[in-house]
Amino acid sequence: QKEVEQNSGPLSVPEGAIASLNCTYSDRGSQSFFWYRQYSGKSPELIMSIYSNGDKEDGRFTAQLNKASQYVSLLIRDSQPSDSATYLCLGLGNQFYFGTGTSLTVIP
Amino acid sequence: EPEVTQTPSHQVTQMGQEVILRCVPISNHLYFYWYRQILGQKVEFLVSFYNNEISEKSEIFDDQFSVERPDGSNFTLKIRSTKLEDSAMYFCASSKGQGNTGELFFGEGSRLTVL
Repeated sequence: QKEVEQNSGPLSVPEGAIASLNCTYSDRGSQSFFWYRQYSGKSPELIMSIYSNGDKEDGRFTAQLNKASQYVSLLIRDSQPSDSATYLCLGLGNQFYFGTGTSLTVIP
Repeated sequence: EPEVTQTPSHQVTQMGQEVILRCVPISNHLYFYWYRQILGQKVEFLVSFYNNEISEKSEIFDDQFSVERPDGSNFTLKIRSTKLEDSAMYFCASSKGQGNTGELFFGEGSRLTVL
């Protein structure tokens, strides 16, 4: 069964805090991982991609990948109210399936 | 900036009718996808398409669904006989390649309402 699991939400953090979003996957054939943000009623929007083990930073966002543990995460530093959305992880390789999503609310 | 475009933005249809949703992927992309999202639920993979054929499909993508790339620009999803449970937002996506060029870019979606 091809599955992508995300840490259960909803997640609430105060403005300025770090938000941590996690995703585990079952398909060892997955080679590339992507984090998407989806505002209510809108389409998914690509935030970060990561292909190699380790960390990748882009502004306030850091993606982390651990292929041995089949684990990918997204850290959002200095969280802003505009970051309030559902965050989806996607693994590509032998699968094209999104995780269930984690709803993030940043409280001003 | 290139983008994926979808039409119509909203379609209302009667149960049992055929529906065609249209997508124009980004021009230099080679892989095309359809996803759907029932209101309040997760984004679900339907089908991927490459080199004029389906490369993978989910259990949702049964005989009622078909995809086609009728010309060099359009990518369509057809639902032959719509059911109430087909009511959802349908997203088209495209990517340049796979692996390191596999980022999916999504259109704004087509909302289908089946009455």
